[in-house]
Amino acid sequence: QSALTQPPSASGSPGQSVTISCTGTSSDFGGYNYVSWYQQHPGKAPKLMIYEVSKRPSGVPDRFSGSKSGNTASLTVSGLQADDEADYYCSSFAGSNNRALFGGGTKLTVL
Amino acid sequence: EVQLVETGGGLIQPGGSLRLSCAASEFNVSTYYMNWVRQAPGKGLEWISVVYSGGRTYYADSVKGRFTISRDNSKNMLYLQMDNLRAEDTAVYYCARDLLRNSAFDIWGQGTMVTVSS
Repeated sequence: QSALTQPPSASGSPGQSVTISCTGTSSDFGGYNYVSWYQQHPGKAPKLMIYEVSKRPSGVPDRFSGSKSGNTASLTVSGLQADDEADYYCSSFAGSNNRALFGGGTKLTVL
Repeated sequence: EVQLVETGGGLIQPGGSLRLSCAASEFNVSTYYMNWVRQAPGKGLEWISVVYSGGRTYYADSVKGRFTISRDNSKNMLYLQMDNLRAEDTAVYYCARDLLRNSAFDIWGQGTMVTVSS
């Protein structure tokens, strides 16, 4: 299995919404709805933003939302803020032998 | 505070060995699926290994046969023994806790850098 496919970059102005896609094959997602999204600022560890396609961990603003249709998952960031500028990675659980398949990452720029 | 702290990274020659450690605080590593994830310089994330709460282990093909994940419940520690290191193993190595056993990693360490070079 190759990495999940994400656009290398995305951008939006403060207050706007931006959606980042994450595409794979049916085997990449393993038939599960176990898609996660991570935010990573430069030099920092990743931070879990979305799990199980659309659930938010405690403390993550509801400006972040996730969805999945077929073999494409999406992360939407609404009301863009300067601090949202970071790299975003999707990942899927595809079974015991491939616990986490990551996307290549999307650099989100807040204009 | 629930946290993970990695140690043990450094500069190592190709073919050498290194052991990374990950200390957990405020939760028991024995009750979670614990993972190692790495990130080569300027690149994306790569999952490399997991140890289940029951002890079963899995590895990415890229490290299978060279890396060994283990856990010391009495010390609340996670380890990654890395043997026969290659230049392509150069990366920041993170330990990460799996929130719900479906690869949603909710707690990450700060990472430790491993550089394989002669």
